Amino acid sequence: NAGVTQTPKFQVLKTGQSMTLQCAQDMNHNSMYWYRQDPGMGLRLIYYSASEGTTDKGEVPNGYNVSRLNKREFSLRLESAAPSQTSVYFCASSDLNYGYTFGSGTRLTVV
Amino acid sequence: GENVEQHPSTLSVQEGDSAVIKCTYSDSASNYFPWYKQELGKGPQLIIDIRSNVGEKKDQRIAVTLNKTAKHFSLHITETQPEDSAVYFCAARFQAGTALIFGKGTTLSVSS
Repeated sequence: NAGVTQTPKFQVLKTGQSMTLQCAQDMNHNSMYWYRQDPGMGLRLIYYSASEGTTDKGEVPNGYNVSRLNKREFSLRLESAAPSQTSVYFCASSDLNYGYTFGSGTRLTVV
Repeated sequence: GENVEQHPSTLSVQEGDSAVIKCTYSDSASNYFPWYKQELGKGPQLIIDIRSNVGEKKDQRIAVTLNKTAKHFSLHITETQPEDSAVYFCAARFQAGTALIFGKGTTLSVSS
């Protein structure tokens, strides 16, 4: 049982480049989330999808877009990467109103 | 807006001692309070959670207490071991169907 799988695990981008972070879960969860983790800032919500077909902004959505491709997959896109987007990105999934299962993270550096 | 404050930011204890981490939340309608443990280089892992209709929950060496009147909840780890060293996050769900809001984390170091 893989749980939540994130790809890639590491990525270096140049300022202005675009990329998509992929996330897939095999637990049949309805809800999926994207967070970023920065030193001293904890986990901050970027976007979430309460159910297939819906997405909502979180605390720090600027510079990002998301797609809930189907029940299993929730991707995060950076259209024009900036150094401020250097961070560790975590995807998570859950049944509504329950705790999360997190992926192992994507470590992104924008130079 | 909704907020979760977590204290302390760092905590150092001797093996065998107890550790307590406290969180406060802003919205009295909050109904779900999980705790996560994050080891170096890994994603956070759920270790215990509590809902607003319960005052305390235990699981072996860890326990969580909730005081709804004061709007705070705490994680208690007894008989700490070196493998308890990690970053711990509290979180709260302010409305049904919404995402968790996390505290900024506590780095726990257990020395032997």
